Amino acid sequence: ILNVEQSPQSLHVQEGDSTNFTCSFPSSNFYALHWYRWETAKSPEALFVMTLNGDEKKKGRISATLNTKEGYSYLYIKGSQPEDSATYLCAHKGQQGSSNTGKLIFGQGTTLQVKP
Amino acid sequence: GAGVSQSPSNKVTEKGKDVELRCDPISGHTALYWYRQSLGQGLEFLIYFQGNSAPDKSGLPSDRFSAERTGGSVSTLTIQRTQQEDSAVYLCASSYRGRVYGYTFGSGTRLTVV
Repeated sequence: ILNVEQSPQSLHVQEGDSTNFTCSFPSSNFYALHWYRWETAKSPEALFVMTLNGDEKKKGRISATLNTKEGYSYLYIKGSQPEDSATYLCAHKGQQGSSNTGKLIFGQGTTLQVKP
Repeated sequence: GAGVSQSPSNKVTEKGKDVELRCDPISGHTALYWYRQSLGQGLEFLIYFQGNSAPDKSGLPSDRFSAERTGGSVSTLTIQRTQQEDSAVYLCASSYRGRVYGYTFGSGTRLTVV
C-alpha cells in the first residue's frame, strides 16, 4: 500500500444499524493515523488520533482500532443515527528519521448516509 | 481566536488574475497546513509550515502557487495567473506540534476561476 485507501466509498444504512469502515495505509514508517468527520457545509472535525499499534479509541457510539504492522484501521459506529451522516476521512502521517514527515495524507473518504 | 479563520469564504476570479487566500490559525498552534479539494477529489496536501518556515512544499502544483507565514501566525496562499483547474475549496488547518494532536480546520475558501 503506497497511499491511503478507504472502503467502502459510500454506505447507506438504516437508523439503528451498526457499521464499520476500513482505512489502509503504508505499514512502514508509521507515525500517526487520524480519523476526521466531515459534514456537509462544515469543516472536517478530528475524531481520533492514534499512534500505537493496538490502539483503541472511543467517543460515544464511535470507536476505532489500529494495526500498524499490517497497515489498517477500522472505524465503527454503533446504532447509527441520522446525525452521523457525513464523510469519514482517515489520514496517515509517516515517519522521517527521528521526526515525522509533517504532512497528513488523506484517503478519499467513506460517505455515510443514515436513513431515519 | 476560537477557531481557524479563512478569508474570503468565496472568491470568483477571472482566468489569469492573481488571488490571495488568507488563513488565521488558532493562537499557539505552531503548525499550519494548506490543503485543497477539487471537484470529486479527496483532500490534496499543498504545503506545511512549522513556525514561519515551510519544511514541505511538495504539494504545490506549480510555480504559480506560493505561500508564506508571518509572525508564526497568519498565512497567505497566493495563486498567480489563475487557471480553471485551480478551482477548488482551499482548506487551512493548524495544530500544536506533537504526535498526538489532531488538526483544526477552517471553513475553507471556495475559489472559482471563470
